[in-house]
Parts: sequence; structure tokens; C-alpha cells
Amino acid sequence: DTAVSQTPKYLVTQMGNDKSIKCEQNLGHDTMYWYKQDSKKFLKIMFSYNNKELIINETVPNRFSPKSPDKAHLNLHINSLELGDSAVYFCASSRTKNNSPLHFGNGTRLTVT
Amino acid sequence: GEDVEQSLFLSVREGDSSVINCTYTDSSSTYLYWYKQEPGAGLQLLTYIFSNMDMKQDQRLTVLLNKKDKHLSLRIADTQTGDSAIYFCAEPERGSTLGRLYFGRGTQLTVWP
Repeated sequence: DTAVSQTPKYLVTQMGNDKSIKCEQNLGHDTMYWYKQDSKKFLKIMFSYNNKELIINETVPNRFSPKSPDKAHLNLHINSLELGDSAVYFCASSRTKNNSPLHFGNGTRLTVT
Repeated sequence: GEDVEQSLFLSVREGDSSVINCTYTDSSSTYLYWYKQEPGAGLQLLTYIFSNMDMKQDQRLTVLLNKKDKHLSLRIADTQTGDSAIYFCAEPERGSTLGRLYFGRGTQLTVWP
């Protein structure tokens, strides 16, 4: 009955590789997000999709490419991984209604060596 | 972006009250949120307050909002060791309907037995 689920939970990879993180929500929400949490716990939004349409695209390297096949799924593909990409990536979802709270997944801890 | 400020650390003894403080920037924010992050987990929505309220109580949690000073606080009564976590204050982006939240850097609450 997990509301927002991400896979994998841990991802260890070498520099230069390409990897994907998947996210699914079963809350019936229209909007999904990717947030990045750095080693100092600072959370910053990366992308947001509403009904499969990209609505927020922060200043993120274009090595990061989100994809939303349907409104319940939002994946994140990262090309040519760099050491600085090491972080915890959180998926979240919310209703489209103004100021609806975000519901977060448990995160994917990415370590680039 | 919005600048949400929190102190980084708070230590209390079990059974005492904890007060976590936050200052935010947008006086027109309609909702303000508190999230809790336990180790290795995602952010869990703890509580929120609507801007036309001064106080909201939910069991051991009391949220106080001072709109004039743009100050938000979270009080946890009878703090337990299980309350040890990072607590994030968050406000929506000014004037945005996109669901973007700005988070403080989080307050690490440590509860000593």
C-alpha cells in the first residue's frame, strides 16, 4: 500500500555511466516531482510534471532527463554520471490543487565513484 | 527563490518539550508545512497550518504562526526518543500554483533518554 515508491533504494555506480531511477505513486495525484537532497540535507526541486507535462525545469544539467509515461509514473534518467551527482533523490507527488501538500517517496541514494 | 531559515540542531531530554523555529519570506503564503525525515527515509508530512490561523494543535504537536514576523514554530510536547529526526519547514513559491515548495535546511532534533 506504499503511496510513493521509488526504485532502487541504493545505487552505486562509476563516473561516466548512465542510470535511471523510477518512481510510481498510487495516490491518484496529477503532479509529480523530483527533488535532490545534498549531503547537508538541503532539498532543491529539479523537475515537476503535471499530467505528463513538464511544468518545472530548474537549472539542472541536461544530463538529467525526466520522463513521465503516465501521470502515476515519473522516471529520472542521468547520463554521464559525475561525482557531484552523488545525493539522495526524492520523488514526490501532489494534487494539482493550489498548495496541496507533497507526499514523498523514501529516496534513492546515488553514490558515484 | 524563497529563503526559509531554521536552526540546524536541537537537543532535548526525553519528556521535555521541543520547540523548532523557522522564518520564512512570503507573507502571502497560504499554507506552511512541517515535514519530518527519519534516517534513511523520505520526508513525511507532519502537519501544516493555513495562513489565517495563529495556532494549530494536533495531539503532541502545536504549530504557532506569527505572520507579522514571518515566524513559524513547531512545539513537540513530551518529546520521545522516537521523535529524533530532521524537521523541515517549507513554504510554497510566491504566487505559484505549480506546487513548488521551498525547504529550510532542516533542524536535527536529538532526544536523550
